[in-house]
Amino acid sequence: GENVEQHPSTLSVQEGDSAVIKCTYSDSASNYFPWYKQELGKRPQLIIDIRSNVGEKKDQRIAVTLNKTAKHFSLHITETQPEDSAVYFCAASRPFGNEKLTFGTGTRLTIIP
Amino acid sequence: NAGVTQTPKFQVLKTGQSMTLQCAQDMNHNSMYWYRQDPGMGLRLIYYSASEGTTDKGEVPNGYNVSRLNKREFSLRLESAAPSQTSVYFCASSTQIGASGNTIYFGEGSWLTVV
Repeated sequence: GENVEQHPSTLSVQEGDSAVIKCTYSDSASNYFPWYKQELGKRPQLIIDIRSNVGEKKDQRIAVTLNKTAKHFSLHITETQPEDSAVYFCAASRPFGNEKLTFGTGTRLTIIP
Repeated sequence: NAGVTQTPKFQVLKTGQSMTLQCAQDMNHNSMYWYRQDPGMGLRLIYYSASEGTTDKGEVPNGYNVSRLNKREFSLRLESAAPSQTSVYFCASSTQIGASGNTIYFGEGSWLTVV
C-alpha cells in the first residue's frame, strides 16, 4: 500500500514569512494529493488539493507543487498570518477499487507574531 | 446541511466498559470512515465502509467493531475499553472511495478517555 512521509513535524515561522511543508509518497500510481488543516480542537478540513496531471496549484496565499518523478509534493504558505497556526496533514490516494487516502503524520505550524 | 455529525463529543470510560460512538452524514455519501488521532501519529484509519452494506478493516482495527446501519449512519463500538484506546476519534465520509479526488469530510471529533 501507499506510504506517506511528512516533514517537518513542527515548524515555527515569523509572521509574514513563508512556510513550506514537504511530503513524499511511495506509490507511483497515486494521483490525488490533498492537504488538510486542523486548528486546535477542530476537525481537519481540506484546504487545497492537486491531481497528478497538474504540477502546481495556487489559491491566494497557499500553493501546492507536485513532482511526480521524485514522488514528492509540498505545501507553500506565503505572507503567513497568526490564523495559519494549525496542524497540516498531507495525503495521497490511488484511483483503484477501495483505495483510501493515506495521511502523513502532520506538521504543527506556529506563526510567531 | 450539518455535514458529518458524531456523538458523544466527550466521554470518560473505565477499563473494561463498552460504548458506541455514533456518526451520521447528510451529504448522501457512499463511503464512511472512522479514524483515531494520537499525538505524533497523525490520522489512523480504524475501519471503513466503502458503501452501504460493507465494512472493512483499516490500519488499526483491533479492539473495535463497526456497523453501517444504513447509508447515513456508521457506528464504532468499543467492546471492552482499554487505556490504549484513549484518543480523539473522527468519523468521516466521502462521495466514493477509490474515486479520483475523493475529498473526505470529517466530523467534529469525539474525545475519549479510558481510565
